[in-house]
Amino acid sequence: QVQLQQSGPGLVKPSQTLSLTCAISGDSVSSNSAAWNWIRQSPSRGLEWLGRTYYRSKWSNDYAVSVKSRVTINPDTSKNQFSLQLNSVTPEDTAVYYCAREGSLYSDNTGYYHAAFDYWGQGTLVTVSS
Amino acid sequence: DIQMTQSPSSLSASVGDRVTITCRASQSISSYLNWYQQKPGKAPKLLIYAASSLQSGVPSRFSGSGSGTDFTLTISGLQPEDFATYYCHQSYSIPRTFGQGTKLEIK
Repeated sequence: QVQLQQSGPGLVKPSQTLSLTCAISGDSVSSNSAAWNWIRQSPSRGLEWLGRTYYRSKWSNDYAVSVKSRVTINPDTSKNQFSLQLNSVTPEDTAVYYCAREGSLYSDNTGYYHAAFDYWGQGTLVTVSS
Repeated sequence: DIQMTQSPSSLSASVGDRVTITCRASQSISSYLNWYQQKPGKAPKLLIYAASSLQSGVPSRFSGSGSGTDFTLTISGLQPEDFATYYCHQSYSIPRTFGQGTKLEIK
């Protein structure tokens, strides 16, 4: 059973850096069939995908355009975890932040593998305020 | 980016009812459509992947259909624990995008 445990501060000052960590158990951050994502949720933006890191012979990242200039998602293989850093935060970055595994699930109906967020962290409410 | 539009935004139903939620993609996404259930204060939970495949452990009263741009989630025989918010999500391309959610309330 895969479990994701998030940690990090719930309050960040404007212009500072938001940092969260997601510890993985039951799987490996270096898995060749999973991707490790950060997603946030706020009343104004709904569920917003921020980006992911994954390993397919080498490490790769994808980021949402809306945060691309400010975001970094890094794996930590020694601790089997991955992290989110979001720089220069403003009150608009206030949200519940989730880490999630994007697994590769086989569908009998289509005969193909499909990506879906099958495991999630518990969520961290991050408030940006002075 | 692929826009996902759900309807309705909210609906009221009674225990035992059959309800349908619709999700439309702004371009064809084949069957790369997933459905999630979210209860207050909790992370979303995967219900359906690949448009119609039931995630392990999810009751069979949940079903999904569709392909291309139009998809539906159907709950047959609503149970008290089904009152929640439901989201669709496309995994066809990056960036991943979600619908705005459908809140299912007790009538």
